[in-house]
Amino acid sequence: EPEVTQTPSHQVTQMGQEVILRCVPISNHLYFYWYRQILGQKVEFLVSFYNNEISEKSEIFDDQFSVERPDGSNFTLKIRSTKLEDSAMYFCASSPDRGYEQYFGPGTRLTVT
Amino acid sequence: EDQVTQSPEALRLQEGESSSLNCSYTVSGLRGLFWYRQDPGKGPEFLFTLYSAGEEKEKERLKATLTKKESFLHITAPKPEDSATYLCAVQDYYQGNTPLVFGKGTRLSVIA
Repeated sequence: EPEVTQTPSHQVTQMGQEVILRCVPISNHLYFYWYRQILGQKVEFLVSFYNNEISEKSEIFDDQFSVERPDGSNFTLKIRSTKLEDSAMYFCASSPDRGYEQYFGPGTRLTVT
Repeated sequence: EDQVTQSPEALRLQEGESSSLNCSYTVSGLRGLFWYRQDPGKGPEFLFTLYSAGEEKEKERLKATLTKKESFLHITAPKPEDSATYLCAVQDYYQGNTPLVFGKGTRLSVIA
């Protein structure tokens, strides 16, 4: 069964450093997403991506964040200058189309020290 | 602003003891309501999508129902392997039509 994959599973970085989180969505899906979950809190939407551009973004997704689909399979989230409060689980998701169920990857645990 | 409230926060059941989890929601226009299961340290695993009031979906010991204001996840004769956090999420036509807005979840423990 096709699934969303994410790498790395755990990333430790120092405050102010740049990180890139990688995702391979399900191959025939059209919409791609990033969510985050701070320990003990809700899963929160960051950004959606369709047709090689951002479709929607939340207030959390400020100028320090960017997304890219560099080739036909990968989808990346870049955080330019990490802060302590960026420590969270980051989930990538994909869906066949708008309004359909979203399938989540296993997540990347980001720890900023 | 869309809101999703799940109750109870935690539920402890004996194996075989059926129960229901509640998800109350407020949206401008419901595109879909989604149930997910999340195990500790893992990503949400899709269970069901419900689109309109009166709709029901079933999968093994789980059954999801939907009204205009809430959804229930009924668990019949649960087993220890059903222990997980169950998340409810909504998608709104008018508040952007791709983001999922999640509730905090119900943490279910099933004791053998």
